[in-house]
Amino acid sequence: QKEVEQNSGPLSVPEGAIASLNCTYSDRGSQSFFWYRQYSGKSPELIMSIYSNGDKEDGRFTAQLNKASQYVSLLIRDSQPSDSATYLCAVNPLLPNDYKLSFGAGTTVTVRA
Amino acid sequence: KAGVTQTPRYLIKTRGQQVTLSCSPISGHRSVSWYQQTPGQGLQFLFEYFSETQRNKGNFPGRFSGRQFSNSRSEMNVSTLELGDSALYLCASSLGAGLSSSYNEQFFGPGTRLTVL
Repeated sequence: QKEVEQNSGPLSVPEGAIASLNCTYSDRGSQSFFWYRQYSGKSPELIMSIYSNGDKEDGRFTAQLNKASQYVSLLIRDSQPSDSATYLCAVNPLLPNDYKLSFGAGTTVTVRA
Repeated sequence: KAGVTQTPRYLIKTRGQQVTLSCSPISGHRSVSWYQQTPGQGLQFLFEYFSETQRNKGNFPGRFSGRQFSNSRSEMNVSTLELGDSALYLCASSLGAGLSSSYNEQFFGPGTRLTVL
């Protein structure tokens, strides 16, 4: 079983719609969760981090965390063509002295104008 | 505040050669992590350094090595290059320690694209 799994996509949404991205993780003790956006040919850019159960909102982005279900999601409201990118879910597994991030394979989002 | 910088941005090498990549973290960040990104395997963790000490290592062969200097700058070295080493090599910096939960927020540099012929 992969440590971090994301819905495979690609996900196509019309401009102005909500894009919903999902991520599950295997290590129940994980404490830190991140969403990165990666444009084609560029490096990943951190857009959201979440550490507690519930919702965290930042502009048009909302991250949701449910540790009991080992599930983290990202909602993009009022999607814009500039949101077209691959979104990577990253998790910090909780092990002694473990500082690495485990990444999902990514979900490619295309926003149709 | 300047971001993470990596040099060189592009490299072309032949099988059997070795290569050294460099990473300068965000000012004040003491942790540097290295990742390999390929279309087939995605982002794979190589190793992480904090205050010149390797704290974590991923599942890569010993041909991949790294080090960190007292100014937090880091280098990674790949010896005896193989065709399969062609990839985008990314470094990311973070605070690495602290009371805030955000100490492990990692910020990526632009990457070094390595092509092995």
